[in-house]
Amino acid sequence: GQNIDQPTEMTATEGAIVQINCTYQTSGFNGLFWYQQHAGEAPTFLSYNVLDGLEEKGRFSSFLSRSKGYSYLLLKELQMKDSASYLCAVRGSNQGGKLIFGQGTELSVKP
Amino acid sequence: DTEVTQTPKHLVMGMTNKKSLKCEQHMGHRAMYWYKQKAKKPPELMFVYSYEKLSINESVPSRFSPECPNSSLLNLHLHALQPEDSALYLCASSQAASGGAVETQYFGPGTRLLVL
Repeated sequence: GQNIDQPTEMTATEGAIVQINCTYQTSGFNGLFWYQQHAGEAPTFLSYNVLDGLEEKGRFSSFLSRSKGYSYLLLKELQMKDSASYLCAVRGSNQGGKLIFGQGTELSVKP
Repeated sequence: DTEVTQTPKHLVMGMTNKKSLKCEQHMGHRAMYWYKQKAKKPPELMFVYSYEKLSINESVPSRFSPECPNSSLLNLHLHALQPEDSALYLCASSQAASGGAVETQYFGPGTRLLVL
């Protein structure tokens, strides 16, 4: 079967660093995406990993280990506006672009 | 520009009504998607169009009928919906749906649908 796991909720303090983990078991692997979704809004693309290693984009970084079926999203210098749901999504092989989404991690940033 | 637009933003309909949701993108993307999202749940894929042809139907009930009139437009026709169909309906697009190179999906703002 196909399964993506991420923590349901996390809380962090403004200015701190938080790491959101995602583990996956899918039929093949053709890329992992992180999306941010504020309440009542559409998901916004954050990052894409297809090779092992770290991708950095400003305050956000994403890491992938294909052998371990593991990724994390690292958010630095947290701001209140980072309070949102963070969705991990995996694209399998030969699935016509279909993304398998995790349940999302609800991040609360407190002052 | 990574904009996908959707209309209407909100829709209230009765169970006997017929309505349509519209989605548009001008990024030259050749794959378009419909998702349904319930509160505090991830998006659930409904349909994928690739090069204006339906390539994936995730066993969606026939009361939802997608249509892709051209490469920029995607419609979702609704008929005889049930209250449990109330949700946020998201449209997305990507360069293609080949599953090959980077095919990031960009989402529209969604239509919040309430079925009474």
